[in-house]
Amino acid sequence: DADVTQTPRNRITKTGKRIMLECSQTKGHDRMYWYRQDPGLGLQLIYYSFDVKDINKGEISDGYSVSRQAQAKFSLSLESAIPNQTALYFCATSLLGGGTDTQYFGPGTRLTVL
Amino acid sequence: QKEVEQDPGPLSVPEGAIVSLNCTYSNSAFQYFMWYRQYSRKGPELLMYTYSSGNKEDGRFTAQVDKSSKYISLFIRDSQPSDSATYLCAMSAGDYKLSFGAGTTVTVRA
Repeated sequence: DADVTQTPRNRITKTGKRIMLECSQTKGHDRMYWYRQDPGLGLQLIYYSFDVKDINKGEISDGYSVSRQAQAKFSLSLESAIPNQTALYFCATSLLGGGTDTQYFGPGTRLTVL
Repeated sequence: QKEVEQDPGPLSVPEGAIVSLNCTYSNSAFQYFMWYRQYSRKGPELLMYTYSSGNKEDGRFTAQVDKSSKYISLFIRDSQPSDSATYLCAMSAGDYKLSFGAGTTVTVRA
């Protein structure tokens, strides 16, 4: 059973289109994150949220926005997609006060912008 | 210079060999150290977690942290084809943020 789910799993879109990637979790964690992964660059943090009313920019937030609809749901939007946003996108969660800072990842969304 | 450096490989070993992976880092505030395993077309999954310096063993996996040298390692004994994956190191200063290495791709040949 998947604790962190992402939809869609694959998406092909065109330059200039607005798209939304969705993340849901059943782990009961407070914190949620969005990352992108590019070959050779590892994981880069886009946005993170500690609770529904707390949203923060990460390293590479330009061109992205997020919405925390509920404790269990965190969406990432690309306002006007461009080809260099082609990447793997991962949602992750962690537990506030867990003491370890470990994060748990969803299966990812492969996004292609033509 | 990246905060966390990890050789991307690729690394190819025969079944049964010991796999040795490592990362170096520059931020002396890091105190939580993790290894994630990522299979192709999957999300990273937590493999090992270590706090501060020292060793931790879990079955065929051993994680080592040397904070004085800012160097962490992961050893996989008796490697199996199912260990073929990308291994990412990650570390944290105890705040929200994980800093990741770029990942090392490992192939274990049957």
